[in-house]
Amino acid sequence: SQTIHQWPATLVQPVGSPLSLECTVEGTSNPNLYWYRQAAGRGLQLLFYSVGIGQISSEVPQNLSASRPQDRQFILSSKKLLLSDSGFYLCAWLGGHGYTFGSGTRLTVV
Amino acid sequence: AQSVAQPEDQVNVAEGNPLTVKCTYSVSGNPYLFWYVQYPNRGLQFLLKYITGDNLVKGSYGFEAEFNKSQTSFHLKKPSALVSDSALYFCAVRDISDSNYQLIWGAGTKLIIKP
Repeated sequence: SQTIHQWPATLVQPVGSPLSLECTVEGTSNPNLYWYRQAAGRGLQLLFYSVGIGQISSEVPQNLSASRPQDRQFILSSKKLLLSDSGFYLCAWLGGHGYTFGSGTRLTVV
Repeated sequence: AQSVAQPEDQVNVAEGNPLTVKCTYSVSGNPYLFWYVQYPNRGLQFLLKYITGDNLVKGSYGFEAEFNKSQTSFHLKKPSALVSDSALYFCAVRDISDSNYQLIWGAGTKLIIKP
């Protein structure tokens, strides 16, 4: 069966520090992968999506970047975090019945 | 432009009563429609989807939703609410002509079931 792993679950980082969040998928190949941010516990904002290795589409210009170094790995990064980067980050892949989400990472920038 | 509206920010229902969480959509072509549920500090979980066929779709945890093309709605329903149904619910739509399979999300509705 297909599973999606996302880590870490929580992260507290100082302003100006770098960020790396990782997402991996098991049990499928060449998945469409997505990074979302959920601010204030409500609406979902699509940040990046990838349809294949090295292929990244950005939906919102901002302080973040994404990479897909392997077929089932999707990484969200930042060189210097801002306070406004705080939020709940969700990775997802597109399966047969729609999206399957990871368990999320709660990022607090202090 | 494609959009999804969840007009209620919060819905309060007494345990045992029926519940409805509303969703309307706008797409240029035919829609695929989804409902997801999110518990605190967790990822979203798939509840149900409408692709084609019967307008009444049954999903997880006793939920169902009815696709109404004329009203462009896809309301989520449950005949008898449980306290454990309290969560954040998201409606989403995809235009079947979108080759990137991206979903357009509603803002979410917080469902509170009171004992």
